[in-house]
Amino acid sequence: EAGVAQSPRYKIIEKRQSVAFWCNPISGHATLYWYQQILGQGPKLLIQFQNNGVVDDSQLPKDRFSAERLKGVDSTLKIQPAKLEDSAVYLCASSQGGTISYEQYFGPGTRLTVT
Amino acid sequence: GDSVTQMEGPVTLSEEAFLTINCTYTATGYPSLFWYVQYPGEGLQLLLKATKADDKGSNKGFEATYRKETTSFHLEKGSVQVSDSAVYFCALTRSNFGNEKLTFGTGTRLTIIP
Repeated sequence: EAGVAQSPRYKIIEKRQSVAFWCNPISGHATLYWYQQILGQGPKLLIQFQNNGVVDDSQLPKDRFSAERLKGVDSTLKIQPAKLEDSAVYLCASSQGGTISYEQYFGPGTRLTVT
Repeated sequence: GDSVTQMEGPVTLSEEAFLTINCTYTATGYPSLFWYVQYPGEGLQLLLKATKADDKGSNKGFEATYRKETTSFHLEKGSVQVSDSAVYFCALTRSNFGNEKLTFGTGTRLTIIP
């Protein structure tokens, strides 16, 4: 079974530029999560999708961050414009959902450096 | 809100030593508790979990017991190996009904020296 795929793995941009991250979840997983992991901290949920609907985006800085999950499969997270404090690892995770198996499987992450 | 407090790191042990990484939590209701591990250059992986009080999660020689009276979920291993070197995260979800976000601790970096 293929795992969660993310790209790019690394990205360096200047502040005020835009950046986009892509995630392909495990096939058949209905729930998709984006987490932000700042150096020295644990991951923090930014947004959660169930199929292509948003379940929780309460921690997403909506003035600069946006995310979409078209057709309930792949997802894109965008930052526009980026700030220095956005430097972090962005993790995508997916789960089957429901009570059968809700274990979250994580991708390798995208390390963003904003200079 | 929900929160997880982990033992500060980094932790350095000799091979075959006994390991304990402390984790306590604050949450309403009946959270599920998890330990995730992040090996160098890899993504987060679920190590073990417990979904109700007094449950013991175990995997790869690691164990943790869900203690509701002390709101704790300490990770233990009797004899660590060099291959256990990684960052360990304690986490919770608000319930065991699924589709809940994970709330993580800050992580504990473990280094095992031969």
